[in-house]
Amino acid sequence: DAGVIQSPRHEVTEMGQEVTLRCKPISGHDYLFWYRQTMMRGLELLIYFNNNVPIDDSGMPEDRFSAKMPNASFSTLKIQPSEPRDSAVYFCASSSTGLGQPQHFGDGTRLSIL
Amino acid sequence: GESVGLHLPTLSVQEGDNSIINCAYSNSASDYFIWYKQESGKGPQFIIDIRSNMDKRQGQRVTVLLNKTVKHLSLQIAATQPGDSAVYFCAEIAYGMRFGAGTRLTVKP
Repeated sequence: DAGVIQSPRHEVTEMGQEVTLRCKPISGHDYLFWYRQTMMRGLELLIYFNNNVPIDDSGMPEDRFSAKMPNASFSTLKIQPSEPRDSAVYFCASSSTGLGQPQHFGDGTRLSIL
Repeated sequence: GESVGLHLPTLSVQEGDNSIINCAYSNSASDYFIWYKQESGKGPQFIIDIRSNMDKRQGQRVTVLLNKTVKHLSLQIAATQPGDSAVYFCAEIAYGMRFGAGTRLTVKP
């Protein structure tokens, strides 16, 4: 079975540009999570969805960040406008039963904002 | 100026030795704990989990111990192999999910 698929794997762009990260969860998983990993703060949960509905977005750093899940097989995390401090590795994960079960992570998108 | 980042604890062991990785958690209400392994350039990978009604759980070559009194979790890896070299994270789940800073395990052949 295919795991969680993220694209792109790497993104380099200039500050002020819009960035869109994409995720395809494992088929049949009802929960989808977005994380950010940096050397300064480690791994942080940004937002998670259940059945395409955002449940907890308290980890989203500011209004420049937004996430959507238009259907069960696709989610996006958007940063507009991007800033150099947004540089990080962004992970998407999915699970079948939420926080109470292990999550399956994608291999991440390494984002660099110049 | 100089940037300050997370300085991961590092554990270096000889191939074949046992490894013990420790994690202190913060929330006494946490009722579920997971250990993840993260290799370079990859996402975290599930290793083993434990619920708060248990104090020990064993998997293949791995054992997790939970001490709720002192809010401490440990991961034991038996007969450590070079492929075990990675960063290991504990995660605690209560009303939300929180990851520890991680420990870098290096296995010397």
